[in-house]
Amino acid sequence: QQQVKQSPQSLIVQKGGISIINCAYENTAFDYFPWYQQFPGKGPALLIAIRPDVSEKKEGRFTISFNKSAKQFSLHIMDSQPGDSATYFCAATLSGGYNKLIFGAGTRLAVHP
Amino acid sequence: DAGVTQSPTHLIKTRGQQVTLRCSPKSGHDTVSWYQQALGQGPQFIFQYYEEEERQRGNFPDRFSGHQFPNYSSELNVNALLLGDSALYLCASRSDRGADYERQYFGPGTRLTVT
Repeated sequence: QQQVKQSPQSLIVQKGGISIINCAYENTAFDYFPWYQQFPGKGPALLIAIRPDVSEKKEGRFTISFNKSAKQFSLHIMDSQPGDSATYFCAATLSGGYNKLIFGAGTRLAVHP
Repeated sequence: DAGVTQSPTHLIKTRGQQVTLRCSPKSGHDTVSWYQQALGQGPQFIFQYYEEEERQRGNFPDRFSGHQFPNYSSELNVNALLLGDSALYLCASRSDRGADYERQYFGPGTRLTVT
């Protein structure tokens, strides 16, 4: 019940295209869902996050869509650029649980020029 | 403003040895968490320190221990190293108060190789 399942494992997108990464969770007590971006040799960096009381959040080219009834959320990267090539992790946490992050397995995104 | 810093960057140890990793949190942060990231996987929560006490622990054996100092910096100690302990060890910090308390900032990690 503590797992977060992420798909696909890897993704290849052409420059200018839309990248879509999906995550699903079981624990309905989770109340904060961040996405992290990680470049090789670096630590994860927070990209965007959402709470379950909203269905969508947009920041620049990055959008989170959240479906509370399906217990699913997804990251959309619009106008994907080669510089977006990185590994993306979804995560979930319990605010009342000291914010321990439960991560998905990651999606390796390659944006080809 | 320096972000989360970790040392050393890389470390090579032999099975059975002990290792200490260090972390300095982002300025203004009082809570430090440690994560283990095996190659090709997502980070796994080890434990969290707040007010110099271990507040929460993940599914890791007692060989993994930690400490938080009065200046909020933290150490991760691993005893009796196993080959399976080879991973990137990440430190994350946040402030336990304020509107942004859920946001965690990660350091660059320490790459530990056990031979």
